[in-house]
Amino acid sequence: GIQVEQSPPDLILQEGANSTLRCNFSDSVNNLQWFHQNPWGQLINLFYIPSGTKQNGRLSATTVATERYSLLYISSSQTTDSGVYFCAVSAAGNKLTFGGGTRVLVKP
Amino acid sequence: DTEVTQTPKHLVMGMTNKKSLKCEQHMGHRAMYWYKQKAKKPPELMFVYSYEKLSINESVPSRFSPECPNSSLLNLHLHALQPEDSALYLCASSQEGRKETQYFGPGTRLLVL
Repeated sequence: GIQVEQSPPDLILQEGANSTLRCNFSDSVNNLQWFHQNPWGQLINLFYIPSGTKQNGRLSATTVATERYSLLYISSSQTTDSGVYFCAVSAAGNKLTFGGGTRVLVKP
Repeated sequence: DTEVTQTPKHLVMGMTNKKSLKCEQHMGHRAMYWYKQKAKKPPELMFVYSYEKLSINESVPSRFSPECPNSSLLNLHLHALQPEDSALYLCASSQEGRKETQYFGPGTRLLVL
């Protein structure tokens, strides 16, 4: 099956800092989503982005499908950005495979 | 409205109990999913229902029994679970198709004693 790797595994930021999270995948995909999992376990949709670039407030994402990676940018980080960020992809059908996640801690 | 609801939020059960987890969506989605997430691990797919029919079973033990009574509801029946089955169980839904966004519920935290 498809392999999904995220880096870095852990990230500690000072409030106000910018950061980039990376997701590499091993095969062509027809679905790529970024999620934020809050401390209570809720998975919150950030982006549906199998290709191209999208922006939503302080967050933006870029997927380069031909090179099999996606980037999530967090600008001017806030303490509420803390949590785990997951990239998930689907190569066939509607089966999502998740990467290992990046655990982000934003310090005040 | 992009809400998926799950009940209960928390569940503690013994290894001989029978319990059920429930999931509901009113977005008109025709695909629904169960995922299992162990602590500090990513979610892993268990089952997929498409148009109320089971389309994917990721070799899940028979002590987990899914049911889709209608297009809005998804149940997961639990029987004779083991302590290692303790996890966060997440439900999701999407439009049917390969390129559709999946929306997740808040999950049920299950503890098996």
